[in-house]
Amino acid sequence: AQSVSQHNHHVILSEAASLELGCNYSYGGTVNLFWYVQYPGQHLQLLLKYFSGDPLVKGIKGFEAEFIKSKFSFNLRKPSVQWSDTAEYFCAVNNYGQNFVFGPGTRLSVLP
Amino acid sequence: DTAVSQTPKYLVTQMGNDKSIKCEQNLGHDTMYWYKQDSKKFLKIMFSYNNKELIINETVPNRFSPKSPDKAHLNLHINSLELGDSAVYFCASSSREGREKLFFGSGTQLSVL
Repeated sequence: AQSVSQHNHHVILSEAASLELGCNYSYGGTVNLFWYVQYPGQHLQLLLKYFSGDPLVKGIKGFEAEFIKSKFSFNLRKPSVQWSDTAEYFCAVNNYGQNFVFGPGTRLSVLP
Repeated sequence: DTAVSQTPKYLVTQMGNDKSIKCEQNLGHDTMYWYKQDSKKFLKIMFSYNNKELIINETVPNRFSPKSPDKAHLNLHINSLELGDSAVYFCASSSREGREKLFFGSGTQLSVL
């Protein structure tokens, strides 16, 4: 069965700091990879996704993620965070035709 | 227009009651899901329906029964509510049997007293 792990439970940064959130998955076959963001009190929204092609994908709000197949990783990055980036971030994996599996989430707190 | 809408947004009820949460999507998607998010924000799939047929039924008590009258609707009925059912329940939909991204509803916060 697939599983997704996220390295950090809670990350606290100051504004303008750089961000990297780790994500690893267990499935060895072809997968689709996603990062979702959940702002306080809101539903999940897609930040970015990887299906194939360039392993460096750019999403909304200045986020990007890099797929490294050999490491089964899909880490999320942002060069300079803002207070408004405070949210819960979820990595997710989908194997064609199968279910979406979400990681446990990483809470990001950005201090003004 | 809201793509995936679920009602109610908040639901407070007593133990032992029966309640329903409704979900509708206007995206023309074939697949709909129910997820449960616990107090630690962990998201767990409960059910998945494709074209009104049950595809995934994870380890969920029989008290939870999904109903899909058509592919645009997936309702969740819960019998004999227990304290541990308190959580946020998210409806979601996707196209092509889950090969594309998930669109989430705004969630229903269920509090069982």
